[in-house]
Amino acid sequence: DQQVKQNSPSLSVQEGRISILNCDYTNSMFDYFLWYKKYPAEGPTFLISISSIKDKNEDGRFTVFLNKSAKHLSLHIVPSQPGDSAVYFCAASVRYGNKLVFGAGTILRVKS
Amino acid sequence: EPEVTQTPSHQVTQMGQEVILRCVPISNHLYFYWYRQILGQKVEFLVSFYNNEISEKSEIFDDQFSVERPDGSNFTLKIRSTKLEDSAMYFCASKLGQLDNEKLFFGSGTQLSVL
Repeated sequence: DQQVKQNSPSLSVQEGRISILNCDYTNSMFDYFLWYKKYPAEGPTFLISISSIKDKNEDGRFTVFLNKSAKHLSLHIVPSQPGDSAVYFCAASVRYGNKLVFGAGTILRVKS
Repeated sequence: EPEVTQTPSHQVTQMGQEVILRCVPISNHLYFYWYRQILGQKVEFLVSFYNNEISEKSEIFDDQFSVERPDGSNFTLKIRSTKLEDSAMYFCASKLGQLDNEKLFFGSGTQLSVL
């Protein structure tokens, strides 16, 4: 069951540059998407979300883009900072859904 | 900021033994969840709990698993007879409202190792 896929296990970026993390999904019923960030020995924490009626949502340095026709979303972090180094999970749900379906995560390393 | 608390942080058990993983959700939250992550794999939904009953469960959540909210503050996950493949990080999560997916708070997890 690979309804949400994050095909890049890791990404390394120089401080100050843009980080782009990608996520693909297969279930066309998904209409709400979230990004979570996880540090070692901590639980995932909510970062940013987007509903299917939008194609972009921005919050400070973080922007999520949604391409429904391609069933693809991406998270842009600009500028990247060393403190952004973490595992980033893409997650999806159906509206009023009770559970989140997660991808496998992408390890982001921001080098200073 | 309020947080979801999980104990213990690490649990080692022998195959076939029962384990209970404990969670204290955020006090005014109404929806409770268990997720798990096997090393190197995705975070997987196990079960959701609302109004003192299971509202949804995955196929992973078989008869060996059970959840309970015994006293209005704790939320437990019991595995009756652990298997090697139950080794994973188990996350408890809670939220206030059904639509509050943005405000789903996770605990820091219990690392379960079955030997």
